[in-house]
Amino acid sequence: DTAVSQTPKYLVTQMGNDKSIKCEQNLGHDTMYWYKQDSKKFLKIMFSYNNKELIINETVPNRFSPKSPDKAHLNLHINSLELGDSAVYFCASSSDSYEQYFGPGTRLTVT
Amino acid sequence: RKEVEQDPGPFNVPEGATVAFNCTYSNSASQSFFWYRQDCRKEPKLLMSVYSSGNEDGRFTAQLNRASQYISLLIRDSKLSDSATYLCVVNFNAGGTSYGKLTFGQGTILTVHP
Repeated sequence: DTAVSQTPKYLVTQMGNDKSIKCEQNLGHDTMYWYKQDSKKFLKIMFSYNNKELIINETVPNRFSPKSPDKAHLNLHINSLELGDSAVYFCASSSDSYEQYFGPGTRLTVT
Repeated sequence: RKEVEQDPGPFNVPEGATVAFNCTYSNSASQSFFWYRQDCRKEPKLLMSVYSSGNEDGRFTAQLNRASQYISLLIRDSKLSDSATYLCVVNFNAGGTSYGKLTFGQGTILTVHP
């Protein structure tokens, strides 16, 4: 009965590789988000989708491409991974502009 | 200036202590305010919303001062289980739309010891 789930939980890969992180929510929410939490623990929004439509696209390298096949799923694909991409990536969802429910996070390490 | 600024701490307090966290935000058009809690290596979870009139939830009291652009969280009778990072969060509504674009402070680390 997990509300927001992400896979994989851990991802270790080499520079230059392409990887994807998947997110699913079973809360019936219309809006989903991707956040990045770096080593200094700052949590920053990257993207947001509302009913499969991109509504927030922060200043993120275009190597990062979100895809929402339906409103319950929001995936994140990263091309040409760099060392600086190492972080914890959180998916979240909400039904309005208030409480957001976060997934458990994907810890990405680029070597 | 950071959009949302918090004292990162760490705060180390004994059980039963009262501890207060402060937060300031730079955008006067910010519309809604929250405290989230994040345990070590876990995801953030909503602790409470913050209203201008102030609100209380058990041992936790949150206050908002819009004029000073200041938010606070007071924890009374601290428990060991309160040990976590407390994140001050602000929702800014840009251009008349709001889809929950939350801006997070860097968090304040609290450790409650026996």
